[in-house]
Amino acid sequence: SAVISQKPSRDICQRGTSLTIQCQVDSQVTMMFWYRQQPGQSLTLIATANQGSEATYESGFVIDKFPISRPNLTFSTLTVSNMSPEDSSIYLCSALQQLNEKLFFGSGTQLSVL
Amino acid sequence: AQKITQTQPGMFVQEKEAVTLDCTYDTSDPSYGLFWYKQPSSGEMIFLIYQGSYDQQNATEGRYSLNFQKARKSANLVISASQLGDSAMYFCAMRERGTSYGKLTFGQGTILTVHP
Repeated sequence: SAVISQKPSRDICQRGTSLTIQCQVDSQVTMMFWYRQQPGQSLTLIATANQGSEATYESGFVIDKFPISRPNLTFSTLTVSNMSPEDSSIYLCSALQQLNEKLFFGSGTQLSVL
Repeated sequence: AQKITQTQPGMFVQEKEAVTLDCTYDTSDPSYGLFWYKQPSSGEMIFLIYQGSYDQQNATEGRYSLNFQKARKSANLVISASQLGDSAMYFCAMRERGTSYGKLTFGQGTILTVHP
Protein backbone atom coordinates (compact mmCIF):
# COMPACT_ATOMS: atom_id res chain seq x y z
CA SER A 1 0.00 0.00 0.00
CA ALA A 2 1.08 3.58 -0.63
CA VAL A 3 2.31 5.67 2.27
CA ILE A 4 0.47 8.99 2.28
CA SER A 5 1.91 11.91 4.24
CA GLN A 6 -0.14 14.94 5.07
CA LYS A 7 0.83 18.22 6.67
CA PRO A 8 0.08 20.02 8.80
CA SER A 9 -1.37 17.36 11.08
CA ARG A 10 -3.39 20.01 12.87
CA ASP A 11 -3.85 23.76 12.90
CA ILE A 12 -5.86 26.44 14.62
CA CYS A 13 -6.75 29.31 12.32
CA GLN A 14 -8.52 32.63 12.49
CA ARG A 15 -11.74 33.33 10.68
CA GLY A 16 -11.22 34.80 7.21
CA THR A 17 -7.78 33.31 6.65
CA SER A 18 -6.79 30.44 4.36
CA LEU A 19 -4.89 27.22 5.00
CA THR A 20 -3.13 25.01 2.49
CA ILE A 21 -2.82 21.31 3.26
CA GLN A 22 -0.17 19.26 1.51
CA CYS A 23 -0.35 15.59 0.58
CA GLN A 24 2.62 13.54 -0.58
CA VAL A 25 2.46 9.91 -1.69
CA ASP A 26 5.55 7.72 -1.62
CA SER A 27 4.81 5.99 -4.91
CA GLN A 28 3.10 6.83 -8.13
CA VAL A 29 -0.63 6.71 -7.87
CA THR A 30 -3.33 6.93 -10.49
CA MET A 31 -5.84 8.98 -8.59
CA MET A 32 -5.86 11.31 -5.57
CA PHE A 33 -8.82 12.62 -3.66
CA TRP A 34 -9.73 14.96 -0.80
CA TYR A 35 -12.29 14.16 1.86
CA ARG A 36 -13.79 16.14 4.74
CA GLN A 37 -14.96 14.76 8.07
CA GLN A 38 -16.98 17.22 10.09
CA PRO A 39 -17.09 16.75 13.89
CA GLY A 40 -18.94 13.59 14.85
CA GLN A 41 -19.70 12.78 11.22
CA SER A 42 -18.49 10.32 8.64
CA LEU A 43 -16.45 11.25 5.57
CA THR A 44 -17.60 13.17 2.51
CA LEU A 45 -15.70 13.41 -0.77
CA ILE A 46 -14.75 16.98 -1.66
CA ALA A 47 -13.09 16.45 -5.02
CA THR A 48 -10.86 14.37 -7.25
CA ALA A 49 -7.45 15.97 -7.74
CA ASN A 50 -6.54 15.72 -11.42
CA GLN A 51 -2.93 15.94 -12.49
CA GLY A 52 -2.25 19.09 -14.44
CA SER A 53 -5.86 20.17 -14.72
CA GLU A 54 -8.74 21.46 -12.65
CA ALA A 55 -10.08 19.22 -9.92
CA THR A 56 -13.47 17.56 -10.22
CA TYR A 57 -15.71 18.74 -7.40
CA GLU A 58 -18.61 16.94 -5.78
CA SER A 59 -21.96 18.56 -5.28
CA GLY A 60 -21.81 21.19 -2.56
CA PHE A 61 -18.11 21.96 -2.98
CA VAL A 62 -16.70 24.72 -5.19
CA ILE A 63 -13.28 25.65 -6.46
CA ASP A 64 -13.32 29.14 -4.97
CA LYS A 65 -13.69 27.72 -1.49
CA PHE A 66 -11.52 24.61 -1.89
CA PRO A 67 -8.91 25.18 -4.60
CA ILE A 68 -6.93 22.03 -5.30
CA SER A 69 -3.71 21.50 -7.18
CA ARG A 70 -1.94 18.36 -8.35
CA PRO A 71 1.22 19.33 -10.22
CA ASN A 72 2.52 15.75 -10.48
CA LEU A 73 1.52 12.17 -9.81
CA THR A 74 2.58 12.08 -6.17
CA PHE A 75 1.70 15.50 -4.74
CA SER A 76 -1.48 17.48 -4.16
CA THR A 77 -2.63 20.45 -2.12
CA LEU A 78 -6.01 21.50 -0.80
CA THR A 79 -6.62 25.07 0.29
CA VAL A 80 -9.47 25.96 2.60
CA SER A 81 -10.20 29.59 1.75
CA ASN A 82 -11.80 32.39 3.73
CA MET A 83 -12.34 30.07 6.65
CA SER A 84 -15.26 30.17 9.06
CA PRO A 85 -15.89 28.06 12.16
CA GLU A 86 -18.07 25.77 10.02
CA ASP A 87 -14.91 24.69 8.22
CA SER A 88 -13.58 23.08 11.39
CA SER A 89 -13.13 19.46 10.33
CA ILE A 90 -10.63 16.76 9.60
CA TYR A 91 -9.42 16.94 6.01
CA LEU A 92 -8.05 13.73 4.55
CA CYS A 93 -6.09 13.04 1.42
CA SER A 94 -6.60 9.65 -0.22
CA ALA A 95 -5.11 7.77 -3.13
CA LEU A 96 -5.45 4.78 -5.39
CA GLN A 97 -2.15 3.14 -6.28
CA GLN A 98 -3.69 1.71 -9.35
CA LEU A 99 -7.17 0.78 -10.34
CA ASN A 100 -7.15 -2.06 -7.84
CA GLU A 101 -10.21 -1.01 -5.92
CA LYS A 102 -8.50 -0.20 -2.62
CA LEU A 103 -8.49 3.39 -1.41
CA PHE A 104 -5.89 4.47 1.16
CA PHE A 105 -5.91 7.58 3.33
CA GLY A 106 -3.37 9.93 4.77
CA SER A 107 -3.11 10.76 8.44
CA GLY A 108 -5.46 13.71 8.16
CA THR A 109 -5.35 17.40 9.09
CA GLN A 110 -7.41 18.48 12.08
CA LEU A 111 -8.48 22.06 11.44
CA SER A 112 -10.05 24.32 14.03
CA VAL A 113 -11.29 27.77 12.99
CA LEU A 114 -11.87 30.37 15.69
CA ALA B 1 -32.58 6.01 2.49
CA GLN B 2 -29.19 5.41 4.02
CA LYS B 3 -26.84 3.60 1.69
CA ILE B 4 -24.67 2.34 4.51
CA THR B 5 -26.11 1.58 7.93
CA GLN B 6 -24.09 0.81 11.00
CA THR B 7 -26.60 0.16 13.75
CA GLN B 8 -24.15 -0.09 16.65
CA PRO B 9 -23.01 3.36 17.84
CA GLY B 10 -20.75 1.68 20.39
CA MET B 11 -19.47 -1.80 21.13
CA PHE B 12 -17.49 -3.24 24.03
CA VAL B 13 -15.36 -6.35 23.99
CA GLN B 14 -12.98 -8.06 26.34
CA GLU B 15 -9.38 -8.33 25.29
CA LYS B 16 -8.62 -11.55 23.36
CA GLU B 17 -12.26 -12.12 22.49
CA ALA B 18 -13.79 -11.81 19.03
CA VAL B 19 -16.21 -9.04 18.08
CA THR B 20 -18.52 -8.46 15.12
CA LEU B 21 -19.31 -4.98 13.85
CA ASP B 22 -22.46 -4.78 11.76
CA CYS B 23 -22.89 -3.12 8.39
CA THR B 24 -25.80 -3.26 5.98
CA TYR B 25 -25.90 -1.54 2.63
CA ASP B 26 -28.40 -0.54 0.03
CA THR B 27 -27.69 -0.56 -3.68
CA SER B 28 -29.36 -1.68 -6.88
CA ASP B 29 -26.00 -1.91 -8.62
CA PRO B 30 -24.81 -5.48 -9.25
CA SER B 31 -21.19 -4.31 -9.11
CA TYR B 32 -19.92 -2.62 -5.97
CA GLY B 33 -17.16 -2.76 -3.40
CA LEU B 34 -17.32 -2.75 0.36
CA PHE B 35 -14.63 -1.39 2.67
CA TRP B 36 -13.86 -1.24 6.35
CA TYR B 37 -11.64 1.43 7.88
CA LYS B 38 -10.35 2.02 11.38
CA GLN B 39 -10.02 5.56 12.73
CA PRO B 40 -8.07 5.92 16.00
CA SER B 41 -8.36 9.07 18.06
CA SER B 42 -5.45 10.53 16.07
CA GLY B 43 -7.81 10.93 13.10
CA GLU B 44 -6.07 8.89 10.43
CA MET B 45 -8.11 6.42 8.40
CA ILE B 46 -6.57 2.96 8.25
CA PHE B 47 -7.69 0.58 5.51
CA LEU B 48 -8.60 -2.82 6.96
CA ILE B 49 -10.34 -4.97 4.39
CA TYR B 50 -12.10 -4.94 1.02
CA GLN B 51 -14.83 -7.15 -0.49
CA GLY B 52 -15.96 -6.98 -4.09
CA SER B 53 -19.54 -7.87 -4.90
CA TYR B 54 -18.45 -10.63 -7.25
CA ASP B 55 -15.88 -12.13 -4.91
CA GLN B 56 -16.79 -15.72 -4.17
CA GLN B 57 -15.03 -15.95 -0.85
CA ASN B 58 -15.21 -13.77 2.22
CA ALA B 59 -12.25 -11.42 2.48
CA THR B 60 -9.70 -11.93 5.24
CA GLU B 61 -6.72 -9.79 6.32
CA GLY B 62 -4.94 -11.14 9.37
CA ARG B 63 -7.25 -10.81 12.38
CA TYR B 64 -9.91 -9.14 10.25
CA SER B 65 -12.50 -10.99 8.23
CA LEU B 66 -15.57 -9.82 6.43
CA ASN B 67 -18.77 -11.83 6.77
CA PHE B 68 -20.32 -11.03 3.40
CA GLN B 69 -23.96 -12.05 2.98
CA LYS B 70 -24.96 -10.71 -0.38
CA ALA B 71 -28.62 -11.68 -0.31
CA ARG B 72 -29.05 -9.92 3.02
CA LYS B 73 -26.88 -6.99 1.89
CA SER B 74 -24.71 -7.21 4.94
CA ALA B 75 -20.93 -6.94 5.29
CA ASN B 76 -20.06 -7.41 8.92
CA LEU B 77 -16.50 -7.02 10.14
CA VAL B 78 -15.19 -9.72 12.47
CA ILE B 79 -12.14 -8.93 14.58
CA SER B 80 -10.64 -12.00 16.22
CA ALA B 81 -8.53 -11.96 19.38
CA SER B 82 -9.20 -8.29 20.18
CA GLN B 83 -6.30 -6.17 21.38
CA LEU B 84 -6.32 -2.95 23.39
CA GLY B 85 -5.01 -1.16 20.29
CA ASP B 86 -8.18 -2.10 18.43
CA SER B 87 -10.09 0.54 20.39
CA ALA B 88 -11.13 3.05 17.73
CA MET B 89 -13.96 4.17 15.47
CA TYR B 90 -14.74 1.74 12.63
CA PHE B 91 -16.36 2.80 9.39
CA CYS B 92 -18.03 0.68 6.74
CA ALA B 93 -18.08 2.17 3.24
CA MET B 94 -19.29 1.30 -0.26
CA ARG B 95 -18.29 2.21 -3.78
CA GLU B 96 -20.85 1.67 -6.53
CA ARG B 97 -20.22 1.07 -10.21
CA GLY B 98 -20.29 4.20 -12.28
CA THR B 99 -19.02 6.44 -9.52
CA SER B 100 -15.53 7.78 -9.21
CA TYR B 101 -13.01 5.26 -7.93
CA GLY B 102 -12.46 7.57 -5.02
CA LYS B 103 -16.07 8.15 -4.10
CA LEU B 104 -17.02 6.04 -1.13
CA THR B 105 -20.24 6.34 0.82
CA PHE B 106 -19.52 5.93 4.52
CA GLY B 107 -21.67 4.76 7.39
CA GLN B 108 -21.86 6.69 10.64
CA GLY B 109 -19.33 4.48 12.35
CA THR B 110 -19.11 2.24 15.41
CA ILE B 111 -16.91 3.07 18.38
CA LEU B 112 -15.20 -0.07 19.63
CA THR B 113 -13.78 -0.20 23.14
CA VAL B 114 -11.59 -3.11 24.13
CA HIS B 115 -11.40 -3.77 27.87
CA PRO B 116 -8.37 -5.43 29.48
